[in-house]
Amino acid sequence: GQQLNQSPQSMFIQEGEDVSMNCTSSSIFNTWLWYKQDPGEGPVLLIALYKAGELTSNGRLTAQFGITRKDSFLNISASIPSDVGIYFCAGRSGGSYIPTFGRGTSLIVHP
Amino acid sequence: NAGVTQTPKFQVLKTGQSMTLQCAQDMNHEYMSWYRQDPGMGLRLIHYSVGAGITDQGEVPNGYNVSRSTTEDFPLRLLSAAPSQTSVYFCASSYGQISEAFFGQGTRLTVV
Repeated sequence: GQQLNQSPQSMFIQEGEDVSMNCTSSSIFNTWLWYKQDPGEGPVLLIALYKAGELTSNGRLTAQFGITRKDSFLNISASIPSDVGIYFCAGRSGGSYIPTFGRGTSLIVHP
Repeated sequence: NAGVTQTPKFQVLKTGQSMTLQCAQDMNHEYMSWYRQDPGMGLRLIHYSVGAGITDQGEVPNGYNVSRSTTEDFPLRLLSAAPSQTSVYFCASSYGQISEAFFGQGTRLTVV
């Protein structure tokens, strides 16, 4: 099956720092999705990317769909304590409804 | 808007017991799915449905059954609970094939 490698596994940063995380795949995806999971909650969609090279922002978050269609990046600028949570990437290929999820990046922000 | 509602939020079972995790959505979404989340493993697909009366297996279907008799409901049945099924279970729904999934708040299940 498809493999998604998400890194880093965890990050411990100071408030105000910028954050970068990425996902790479062994196969080509047509859609990349980034979700955030707050403690005790279900994942919530942050950004969806549909085209190779696409760069999309949502407030302090910016995500890019890699030009090879095998990777994606998420950046968070000027982190704040409420950014704490687990960030998941997910990729979808062809006409498949079913996304493949990465293992998540756990983010802790120290005030 | 309720969105995707999962019940119960917490459950403790003894090995061998059966139970049903409930999932309901009020958005008239065609697509529904069940995931389990284990530490360091991300979200793994158990079963999914592309419409009422249609279900299919995901990555980790063993030990679980599903049915989809209505658009709104997609229950997940554990036939004979095992400690390996201790996990957090999430139900998700989406409108169409390329639209994005909305997740419920999860059911934390412990099998002792």
